[in-house]
Amino acid sequence: DAGVIQSPRHEVTEMGQEVTLRCKPISGHNSLFWYRQTMMRGLELLIYFNNNVPIDDSGMPEDRFSAKMPNASFSTLKIQPSEPRDSAVYFCASSLDSLPGYTFGSGTRLTVV
Amino acid sequence: AQTVTQSQPEMSVQEAETVTLSCTYDTSESDYYLFWYKQPPSRQMILVIRQEAYKQQNATENRFSVNFQKAAKSFSLKISDSQLGDAAMYFCAYNPSNSARQLTFGSGTQLTVLP
Repeated sequence: DAGVIQSPRHEVTEMGQEVTLRCKPISGHNSLFWYRQTMMRGLELLIYFNNNVPIDDSGMPEDRFSAKMPNASFSTLKIQPSEPRDSAVYFCASSLDSLPGYTFGSGTRLTVV
Repeated sequence: AQTVTQSQPEMSVQEAETVTLSCTYDTSESDYYLFWYKQPPSRQMILVIRQEAYKQQNATENRFSVNFQKAAKSFSLKISDSQLGDAAMYFCAYNPSNSARQLTFGSGTQLTVLP
């Protein structure tokens, strides 16, 4: 298996622009997580899907953030409009309920200027 | 709410020596999982070791082992025969053993390996 695949690896965008981050989980995994990592706040859970259904989105910072999982093999995290304070590394991770512990993607480093 | 505390922001170890990274957690659950993740400069998060709370035996993975003290809510990671490639940020994480699979992470310990 190729692991969890995230794209793009790096994204630089201007304030106010829409940003879409993409994730392909490991085939067969039924849970998907989006995390944000910053120096100040560490790793924060943004949203969690189970069997393609959003279970907990309490970590989504505000309405500018949205996430979808239209099928078991694809998820997106969208920020619209983006702001400089959104600059961070965004990780996607997937897991199987019967085997605790995530497999992470390599992350997307987002810079909003 | 569960919390995970790593009280050592930075640690260093001489190559080939042994180092122990500390982690404590707070939970009211009786069954749960604990993990150590490694994040090298490449930023990839790599699962190092996992421990199930109901198992008394400490988990080991090659040069990595844990000291799990359930009553004390302590979960330390021991790295033996440290190698330059072990240099990374290490995160301790907690996962309740119910249908909610969210991991709660500690703030991390930056490990430097000195040649």
